[in-house]
Amino acid sequence: SAVISQKPSRDICQRGTSLTIQCQVDSQVTMMFWYRQQPGQSLTLIATANQGSEATYESGFVIDKFPISRPNLTFSTLTVSNMSPEDSSIYLCSVVTRHLGGEQYFGPGTRLTVT
Amino acid sequence: GQNIDQPTEMTATEGAIVQINCTYQTSGFNGLFWYQQHAGEAPTFLSYNVLDGLEEKGRFSSFLSRSKGYSYLLLKELQMKDSASYLCAVRPPNTGTASKLTFGTGTRLQVTL
Repeated sequence: SAVISQKPSRDICQRGTSLTIQCQVDSQVTMMFWYRQQPGQSLTLIATANQGSEATYESGFVIDKFPISRPNLTFSTLTVSNMSPEDSSIYLCSVVTRHLGGEQYFGPGTRLTVT
Repeated sequence: GQNIDQPTEMTATEGAIVQINCTYQTSGFNGLFWYQQHAGEAPTFLSYNVLDGLEEKGRFSSFLSRSKGYSYLLLKELQMKDSASYLCAVRPPNTGTASKLTFGTGTRLQVTL
């Protein structure tokens, strides 16, 4: 498995501001993803973070709202822009290792509250 | 698209066995995963099935029937610490191992004395 860290672990932000979440992995990984988990809900994929190119967004998510960077194979950032209370959620990054099954491992998450 | 169904909640007694079912309807399939998520924590990987049959890992086993679009997670000798949400996730077809997953809504398991 991979050791994944996220910063910040939690934050309380005001409406209209932006927050950038960092995800750092201790080894080079094939793929990195960003998920959102709203209270009491399951995980929803926001986008795939592609190394050196634009992220691939899922339906309902756009680059202007959730810009993503992945400058190398061990680091990615997700920005939540122009926040509203509806963006209050846990944001998790996950990685796929080179194990046979390609299972994903998750970071500890960033708990965001927008007031 | 993919539609994944799990029971919302289950309750079981410490020391017992519980089976959590997952059914999926997809246009193709390339692997099914089970994750455990304790409240306030990130999901942790439990098991992976890509062929039909049972995969056993200690107290946890996972079964897959591709023809029926059905999987279950079996937890034996339940412990209080097994109280958590259990998430079923499916990987879409023709995508290789490095691919995104689609998650079900999760089953919240409560283990009681």
